[in-house]
Amino acid sequence: EPEVTQTPSHQVTQMGQEVILRCVPISNHLYFYWYRQILGQKVEFLVSFYNNEISEKSEIFDDQFSVERPDGSNFTLKIRSTKLEDSAMYFCASRTVARQGNTGELFFGEGSRLTVL
Amino acid sequence: KQEVTQIPAALSVPEGENLVLNCSFTDSAIYNLQWFRQDPGKGLTSLLLIQSSQREQTSGRLNASLDKSSGRSTLYIAASQPGDSATYLCAVRKEYGNKLVFGAGTILRVKS
Repeated sequence: EPEVTQTPSHQVTQMGQEVILRCVPISNHLYFYWYRQILGQKVEFLVSFYNNEISEKSEIFDDQFSVERPDGSNFTLKIRSTKLEDSAMYFCASRTVARQGNTGELFFGEGSRLTVL
Repeated sequence: KQEVTQIPAALSVPEGENLVLNCSFTDSAIYNLQWFRQDPGKGLTSLLLIQSSQREQTSGRLNASLDKSSGRSTLYIAASQPGDSATYLCAVRKEYGNKLVFGAGTILRVKS
């Protein structure tokens, strides 16, 4: 069964360092997302990406964050200068276009745990 | 702004019990609602998706209902098993919207 894959599963970094989290969405999906979950808190929306551009972003997604789809399969989240409060589980998700026969169900990866020291 | 609330926050039941998890949302103008399961330290597994025009969806021992006008959904788990122990998350997508808004989840423990 197709799935969303994420790497790395866990990354430890020093405050101020750049981090890139990688995702391979399901192959025929067109909408891509990043969410995050700080330990003990709700899953929060960061950004959505469609047709090679950001379609929506949250207040959390400030200038320190960027997303890219560098080729036909990968979708990346970059944090330019990490802060302690960026420590969280980051989830990538994807879905197809909702039309007859497709529900637009959102599928999530296993997550990348980021620890900022 | 859409707010999603899940009750109870935690639930502990003996194996074999039928149980109901509740989800409410403040803005009834939704496109769909999804229920997810999350095991500790793991990703989100989609369990059921209900479109706004539907009243319920079933998958095995799981049944999810939706009352859009009152802003409520329930997840019914029949004959619970220890393997059902996990956090169950409810999330809604608004009409003409793109993102899911999540509740805080219900932590379920099924005791053998």
